Amino acid sequence: AQKVTQAQTEISVVEKEDVTLDCVYETRDTTYYLFWYKQPPSGELVFLIRRNSFDEQNEISGRYSWNFQKSTSSFNFTITASQVVDSAVYFCALRGTSDYKLSFGAGTTVTVRA
Amino acid sequence: DAGVIQSPRHEVTEMGQEVTLRCKPISGHNSLFWYRQTMMRGLELLIYFNNNVPIDDSGMPEDRFSAKMPNASFSTLKIQPSEPRDSAVYFCASSLIWASGRADTDTQYFGPGTRLTVL
Repeated sequence: AQKVTQAQTEISVVEKEDVTLDCVYETRDTTYYLFWYKQPPSGELVFLIRRNSFDEQNEISGRYSWNFQKSTSSFNFTITASQVVDSAVYFCALRGTSDYKLSFGAGTTVTVRA
Repeated sequence: DAGVIQSPRHEVTEMGQEVTLRCKPISGHNSLFWYRQTMMRGLELLIYFNNNVPIDDSGMPEDRFSAKMPNASFSTLKIQPSEPRDSAVYFCASSLIWASGRADTDTQYFGPGTRLTVL
């Protein structure tokens, strides 16, 4: 069974601060896929990134960066120089290879104050 | 390109009424997923289809829920009769699985969701 844990329920920061969201996962599959989604106040779920378990290279996209550590089963997400528009709920998700179900974490609510 | 389209965006109904939620996946995608989001249970998968065939419906809560995919561009999720505990946001997502044998093309893209309130 797949399990994703996002221990941080809520994070509040002041604009321009960096914020890191933790994601820890459990799976028995040797190959698996990790995702981050953003849910802004408007409610839609927006895909941010996908990471394959066999590719441990970290990735940066603008102010967003992701740190995949297979040894600690973690896939953390950092927003650099946060902006008010980053305020949202962020979900980490995991898919194994036995089927196509996504297992979501509980989400972390990020509030960026001006 | 158009994303996943869901209708209605909001639905308010009374207990006992039939509710039908609709989804149009991204053109060319071969898999479709229905999720439900509640405060208590978070995001949970209800059912998914591959090439219009239901593959796994183990997440469907009970017989009051049914889903169909009559063709590659349309799916429905029906609740009959509806109950207050069915109040939630229902998301539809689509993806392209195993195109050309590649496993990395199956990212799920979500629709805007339908917020259902059963009074």
